Amino acid sequence: GAGVSQSPRYKVAKRGQDVALRCDPISGHVSLFWYQQALGQGPEFLTYFQNEAQLDKSGLPSDRFFAERPEGSVSTLKIQRTQQEDSAVYLCASSGGLRDTEAFFGQGTRLTVV
Amino acid sequence: AQSVAQPEDQVNVAEGNPLTVKCTYSVSGNPYLFWYVQYPNRGLQFLLKYITGDNLVKGSYGFEAEFNKSQTSFHLKKPSALVSDSALYFCAVRPLFASGGSYIPTFGRGTSLIVHP
Repeated sequence: GAGVSQSPRYKVAKRGQDVALRCDPISGHVSLFWYQQALGQGPEFLTYFQNEAQLDKSGLPSDRFFAERPEGSVSTLKIQRTQQEDSAVYLCASSGGLRDTEAFFGQGTRLTVV
Repeated sequence: AQSVAQPEDQVNVAEGNPLTVKCTYSVSGNPYLFWYVQYPNRGLQFLLKYITGDNLVKGSYGFEAEFNKSQTSFHLKKPSALVSDSALYFCAVRPLFASGGSYIPTFGRGTSLIVHP
């Protein structure tokens, strides 16, 4: 596609429910990033993939958060047993190369845990 | 560890006046610097980047940014602001050459630019 696509755009989950957020990166992009953006804050890094390999997951806030990119394209961020503090916008970004390219962002998924 | 500071939560400017949104950074080695803009309920949109070369880089919508190595700054500028420029602006940094293949951008907290008619 022309840009990074994320779905759903909005998700309301009851506390304790599991959710799955999808990211379709720009075709052929090697690098994929997930960020969490709380209201009024900047994006905070969650995890990074290079093709199908998850090279850095140091930003995942707890073991309830899990991300995968099994075929090196589409990625899914899963949150188990959601808590109210998980409410945020989850942004996905992709970039074409390893060194000298910028990241392009999707529109994000706004997760509200009630 | 790399970091970005955007010291102003909000910048107010009158339409037609020049604007500056400040950014300072910390990174190991040579920096690769970015500015992004975010409109309400939208993702981040790339504006411009600095890799090497001329310290003044030009980007989308008439924006430019000035890299200053000694002050570790990368301020965003525009000669004449428009009301439609009102949005959130984020500065980001990553190392240009990262050991271990980690090219993860770190973002600042953002600055809200408000342009008054």
